[in-house]
Amino acid sequence: DIQMTQSPSTLSASVGDRVTLTCRASQSFNSWLAWYQQKPGKAPKLLIYKASNLQSGVPSRFSGSGSGTKFTLTISSLQPDDFASYYCQQYFSFPYTFGEGTKLEIK
Amino acid sequence: EVQLLESGGDLVQSGGSLRLSCAASGFTFRSYAMSWVRQTPRKGLEWVAGISGVGLGATYADSVRGRFTISRDNSKNTLYLQMNSLRAEDTAMYYCARDPGKQCGGDCHYFDDWGQGTLVTVSS
Repeated sequence: DIQMTQSPSTLSASVGDRVTLTCRASQSFNSWLAWYQQKPGKAPKLLIYKASNLQSGVPSRFSGSGSGTKFTLTISSLQPDDFASYYCQQYFSFPYTFGEGTKLEIK
Repeated sequence: EVQLLESGGDLVQSGGSLRLSCAASGFTFRSYAMSWVRQTPRKGLEWVAGISGVGLGATYADSVRGRFTISRDNSKNTLYLQMNSLRAEDTAMYYCARDPGKQCGGDCHYFDDWGQGTLVTVSS
């Protein structure tokens, strides 16, 4: 199975900050990576697919990049609604695996 | 508007069985592959099982293969997960999730819509 490792596990930031979350894979693959946002008590919400494609309706301050074993999710200017947990998921190979998540907290 | 509504979660003893349901609306259900994904505070998100739109192909995580069965009734727009021989480690919030399909020209294996979840607790 491909192991997905996210860092940091917790990130403290302020409204207006630019933040970058990292997801590393135990095996190399092209762009078969998705990012999700999850708020407490809610289901995950798809933000990015195929590493850099913005899901419809997601604000343009979110962007994704990467290939191989390192992928990043960047939020260009944090808004109050962005404080949540973020998960990456690889869908390059079965079984489809998720990272452990990064919790984005208000500083 | 896409809606996925899970039900059937409960407290059950180890070794017991449970059937989860996910009622879908707001889209052409038979055109989309669907999956069950579970989440625990300790292990995070784990894909459990998936099924094609027409219900002919099912895949399972190793942790549940042989114990869980995913199925669907396209006439009722409903996805199911039959869970047998339940173990304490199956305790989790279970989500049904839609595979966007058309974004990939086939099954994508990521998920663009999720239900609100149903909680399964297995007591040992």
